[in-house]
Amino acid sequence: ETGVTQSPTHLIKTRGQQVTLRCSSQSGHNTVSWYQQALGQGPQFIFQYYREEENGRGNFPPRFSGLQFPNYSSELNVNALELDDSALYLCASSYSGNTIYFGEGSWLTVV
Amino acid sequence: AQTVTQSQPEMSVQEAETVTLSCTYDTSESNYYLFWYKQPPSRQMILVIRQEAYKQQNATENRFSVNFQKAAKSFSLKISDSQLGDTAMYFCAQLQTSGSRLTFGEGTQLTVNP
Repeated sequence: ETGVTQSPTHLIKTRGQQVTLRCSSQSGHNTVSWYQQALGQGPQFIFQYYREEENGRGNFPPRFSGLQFPNYSSELNVNALELDDSALYLCASSYSGNTIYFGEGSWLTVV
Repeated sequence: AQTVTQSQPEMSVQEAETVTLSCTYDTSESNYYLFWYKQPPSRQMILVIRQEAYKQQNATENRFSVNFQKAAKSFSLKISDSQLGDTAMYFCAQLQTSGSRLTFGEGTQLTVNP
């Protein structure tokens, strides 16, 4: 049990639509990161938030955006969905930087 | 840029035997952390073991141990007395201390056979 919960578990969207994925972290986890894991690949870093501000970004276009809230929850928003956005999206949170806890992920299928 | 390479896409081992998974990495930082994560079919990413780069002693967690060769930038995972529950995808990952972003390898699918 990592104390990191994600919702929804699975969802299907149509190309061009928008999606919001949610993550709830343990109290005190002031850093949250999002990763995209395509089938058969390792997770790829999307971006990180620290104390509600973006604190680093991977090689993802601006249509991937996020928010972090004071209650240690966060969101990943993806606009104008493309077929290649189909993947497992993992939320990871930490309070010390080097102890990172992962949620169980949200499976997104874009058709 | 950090890179992590796992050259063994698949491995198998008999129950109760020992298996070693390989990982190499590249970084320009002097201070960093290395991890092995296990991802079973449930897709939950589970931390197996962690190594701090400034520590020379290899980390050990019960049946899991690492061989950390800093000069060679190598970080292998040894699983002793393999159990059926060890069947999973294993990812090697590196953490930049500046930015807290994990860089993962492509993974090694380990199958433990009865």
